[in-house]
Amino acid sequence: GIQVEQSPPDLILQEGANSTLRCNFSDSVNNLQWFHQNPWGQLINLFYIPSGTKQNGRLSATTVATERYSLLYISSSQTTDSGVYFCATNQAGTALIFGKGTTLSVSS
Amino acid sequence: GAGVSQSPRYKVAKRGQDVALRCDPISGHVSLFWYQQALGQGPEFLTYFQNEAQLDKSGLPSDRFFAERPEGSVSTLKIQRTQQEDSAVYLCASSWTSGGASEQFFGPGTRLTVL
Repeated sequence: GIQVEQSPPDLILQEGANSTLRCNFSDSVNNLQWFHQNPWGQLINLFYIPSGTKQNGRLSATTVATERYSLLYISSSQTTDSGVYFCATNQAGTALIFGKGTTLSVSS
Repeated sequence: GAGVSQSPRYKVAKRGQDVALRCDPISGHVSLFWYQQALGQGPEFLTYFQNEAQLDKSGLPSDRFFAERPEGSVSTLKIQRTQQEDSAVYLCASSWTSGGASEQFFGPGTRLTVL
């Protein structure tokens, strides 16, 4: 099945810094989503982005499907951005395959 | 409701007990998924429903796990004779279309602890 790899596994930032999270996948995909899992465990949808570029406030994402990767950009990070960021994707089937996540800690 | 809801949010069971976890998907969503998330890991697929039909149960770890969605809306995940290795967060997700082609939205999860 498809493999999803995320990097870096851990990231520590000062408030106000920018960061880039990467997601590599091993085959062509049908769907790609970025999630933020907050400290209470809720998975929050950030982007549905099988291809192209999207922006939402301080967050933006780009997926280059032909090169099998996606990037999540966080600008001017805030302490509330802390948590685990997951990339997930699937092929023509039904189940999302998740990466192991990037744990982000933002300190004030 | 506005989003996917799950109940209970927390469940503690003694080893050997049966448990039932409930998921209320977003109204009108055709597809419903169950995932299991172990501590420090990403969610892993358990089973998938398109309306009331269970089309994929390849991720269920054993025959002690059973899921249903009899009227194509609410779903229940049942675990019989719970074991300590069943301790995890169980997440439910729903989406508008069939086949996993559209965005999935997740509930808050049920954290199951088996003593």
